[in-house]
Amino acid sequence: DGGITQSPKYLFRKEGQNVTLSCEQNLNHDAMYWYRQDPGQGLRLIYYSQIVNDFQKGDIAEGYSVSREKKESFPLTVTSAQKNPTAFYLCASSISGFETQYFGPGTRLLVL
Amino acid sequence: GQQLNQSPQSMFIQEGEDVSMNCTSSSIFNTWLWYKQDPGEGPVLLIALYKAGELTSNGRLTAQFGITRKDSFLNISASIPSDVGIYFCAGLGGNKLVFGAGTILRVKS
Repeated sequence: DGGITQSPKYLFRKEGQNVTLSCEQNLNHDAMYWYRQDPGQGLRLIYYSQIVNDFQKGDIAEGYSVSREKKESFPLTVTSAQKNPTAFYLCASSISGFETQYFGPGTRLLVL
Repeated sequence: GQQLNQSPQSMFIQEGEDVSMNCTSSSIFNTWLWYKQDPGEGPVLLIALYKAGELTSNGRLTAQFGITRKDSFLNISASIPSDVGIYFCAGLGGNKLVFGAGTILRVKS
């Protein structure tokens, strides 16, 4: 069963803490993306990667970091520098860069 | 930067009615995509449009890629309760996918 998985579904962060959100895909897609969704707003691009070991900043990369060591995996770290991290985080992938994107189920991050 | 204007922002309609929503842009796009998002879930791709003027259907859904390449619309015929959710348009131009703010659809049964 091909698809994109994100874990955990819910994540709680304490002040000053870094947290990592997982995204895995078994679609053999080259490109992967992270978006942030706030209530009543569209999706905003945080980071994207078109190939293993390479990634670029999106529109709102400050306070976030990523890695792409394997084709299947694109974890997102929300660092303590991100002052307003509460949001719904969506991972997506596409066959190649910026073609039709398919989304995972999302991770909701809450600050304690 | 590029922006998509999606309208209406929300709709509250009677079950069985047809629904129409649209997206416009000041920029040209090569691809238009329509997604549906249920509460607490990721967006699911409904329809992808790759050619100006293209009209594509998926069950009760019909979408068109505007001839100017700057707009697209989505129609839902004979709405049912499970159509509730947020519908997003997205335009792909160059190396960027730009999303509209979404249309919230509520159906009264």
